[in-house]
Amino acid sequence: GAVVSQHPSRVICKSGTSVKIECRSLDFQATTMFWYRQFPKKSLMLMATSNEGSKATYEQGVEKDKFLINHASLTLSTLTVTSAHPEDSSFYICSARTSGGDIQYFGAGTRLSVL
Amino acid sequence: GIQVEQSPPDLILQEGANSTLRCNFSDSVNNLQWFHQNPWGQLINLFYIPSGTKQNGRLSATTVATERYSLLYISSSQTTDSGVYFCAVGGGSNYKLTFGKGTLLTVNP
Repeated sequence: GAVVSQHPSRVICKSGTSVKIECRSLDFQATTMFWYRQFPKKSLMLMATSNEGSKATYEQGVEKDKFLINHASLTLSTLTVTSAHPEDSSFYICSARTSGGDIQYFGAGTRLSVL
Repeated sequence: GIQVEQSPPDLILQEGANSTLRCNFSDSVNNLQWFHQNPWGQLINLFYIPSGTKQNGRLSATTVATERYSLLYISSSQTTDSGVYFCAVGGGSNYKLTFGKGTLLTVNP
C-alpha cells in the first residue's frame, strides 16, 4: 500500500518551453502533497506544499509563477515548470501524506534537463 | 526552523559489517522518518519513528525524543544497502519535513 506514482521519470526540453510533472497517489487519498527539489549529491529541499482544492504554499525563495502547482483532486497534484531555463535542471520529487496520517510517501522522481 | 544534522557524512563498509547512523535535531518533533535513496533516486521509507524503537529485518531504529536524536542500525550489511540514508523531521501542524544532508553508505563485496 501507499504507492505514489510520478511521471515522467525523465524529461529533456528546450529552453523556454514548459514542462508538466504529475504526482499520483495510487491506493490512498492524499489531502496534502509536497514538491521537493534535489541537486546532485545534495539533500532534498521543500519547494511547496499542495493541499487539495486550495492554493499551494510556497517556501521562501521559490518563484510561484515559475513553478505552478495544481492539486485538483485527492489523488493528483501537478508541477509545471514554466519557461524552463538550464538552471531549472534538477531532480524533482513529490510526496503524499495520507489523510489523517503523518507519514510521507515519495514518488520515484523526475529528472529534468533543460537544454 | 528545525536543524537536522546527520553523521557520518560518508561511510564505507565491507559486506557483513554493522553500522550506526545518527540524526540530531534541534527542536522537539512529532514526525521523524528514515529513508534510503537508491541509485536511481527513489526514496524508500524505512521507518516512521518519532519516538521509541522499531525493527525490520536487519534494520532497526531508535529515537530518543527528549535528547533530540535518532539512530539507524544496519546489521550484516549487504552491497544492496549502498546508497544515501536520509533522516527527515517535522515539528509542526503543517506536516512539513526537513531533511538532513544524508549519509552516503558504500558497502563493498
